[in-house]
Amino acid sequence: EDQVTQSPEALRLQEGESSSLNCSYTVSGLRGLFWYRQDPGKGPEFLFTLYSAGEEKEKERLKATLTKKESFLHITAPKPEDSATYLCAVQARNFGNEKLTFGTGTRLTIIP
Amino acid sequence: DSGVTQTPKHLITATGQRVTLRCSPRSGDLSVYWYQQSLDQGLQFLIQYYNGEERAKGNILERFSAQQFPDLHSELNLSSLELGDSALYFCASSALAGGTTDTQYFGPGTRLTVL
Repeated sequence: EDQVTQSPEALRLQEGESSSLNCSYTVSGLRGLFWYRQDPGKGPEFLFTLYSAGEEKEKERLKATLTKKESFLHITAPKPEDSATYLCAVQARNFGNEKLTFGTGTRLTIIP
Repeated sequence: DSGVTQTPKHLITATGQRVTLRCSPRSGDLSVYWYQQSLDQGLQFLIQYYNGEERAKGNILERFSAQQFPDLHSELNLSSLELGDSALYFCASSALAGGTTDTQYFGPGTRLTVL
């Protein structure tokens, strides 16, 4: 069974203080690893898709990386508007089922 | 705005009742997914439809059912509601099914409260 574990559960940073969020996964053949951002009471907002180990993607202050067992979401010089829950999900190489298996998320708070 | 719409935004009902949640996918997307998000379990996959046909099922209760119509909108029906069904229900859509990885875009959700 596919599993995703995210750590830490919660993280408080000062504005400008860089850090990383971790996503460890087990999947029967990885088709893709996804990062989403979710604000309270809202739907998940797509950030990145990573397909293979060694791949990196960047968007503004965020950078996602992938290894064979985990992914990291690096946040550089964060601002208060980066406060949200960040969700990691995997999609298995399983034709006929494109479901996403999600972790429980990291709740990030950036203090001005 | 992801382009996925869901109605209603909020729903408050009583135990034993039946409700219908509605989802319209992004223009051109053929796949629709339903997920449930509760405080203690995170986002859980319920069911997937592709071009009107059921494609995959997750841990969806027998009291729950869904369908996708010819215009590609989807409805999730929840019956004999219990207190534990209170949660956020999200619909997502994607362009393709199978073969390649494509992105699922999520709607704003329906918050269901069962009293």
